[in-house]
Amino acid sequence: DGGITQSPKYLFRKEGQNVTLSCEQNLNHDAMYWYRQDPGQGLRLIYYSQIVNDFQKGDIAEGYSVSREKKESFPLTVTSAQKNPTAFYLCASSNPPSGSEFAQRNIQYFGAGTRLSVL
Amino acid sequence: AQTVTQSQPEMSVQEAETVTLSCTYDTSESDYYLFWYKQPPSRQMILVIRQEAYKQQNATENRFSVNFQKAAKSFSLKISDSQLGDAAMYFCAYRSGGGSEKLVFGKGTKLTVNP
Repeated sequence: DGGITQSPKYLFRKEGQNVTLSCEQNLNHDAMYWYRQDPGQGLRLIYYSQIVNDFQKGDIAEGYSVSREKKESFPLTVTSAQKNPTAFYLCASSNPPSGSEFAQRNIQYFGAGTRLSVL
Repeated sequence: AQTVTQSQPEMSVQEAETVTLSCTYDTSESDYYLFWYKQPPSRQMILVIRQEAYKQQNATENRFSVNFQKAAKSFSLKISDSQLGDAAMYFCAYRSGGGSEKLVFGKGTKLTVNP
């Protein structure tokens, strides 16, 4: 089945530790995104990538890093510089308008999320 | 920067009744897209409906329809014949028509469906 897989479902971080959240998609989408969701808030964009080997900061990039070495994968590292990492993290992907069927354009599809907590 | 506002933190509806969720947005762009996403307790984000700003006709998807008022920058979601499975958080989202595809989300409305 085509989709977006996030792992792990639950993750715990110790003080001073870096942790990496995995996001893999087999939808052949060019663009991928990372969002953070806190209680009572909507989703906020951390980083996004529109093409392999390129990515841009979103609204709350401080304390996070990403890489995009393969089209299918967009891992997010939560570094020790992120002082309040406890949140629900969602990965998404989409296909840009050019070269895609109209029905799929401009739609972001989401993974099931990773809940990160601090020990 | 664009902003999206959902003024109703919580709403409730009786099963089989109709409910409308409100969303307003602020933008200076003329070309953009608007979305409603549903997030059930599983927390999986599911696309409910999409509206292109250049289309005057309101989008519909089965029991879900929107009232898109471009001049008023309003984008409400109407759920008809509400079902227990409609209970979820609903998020309104904005996407610019050009350049980046990033979404700007509202804070969400929690919908409860009473049997």
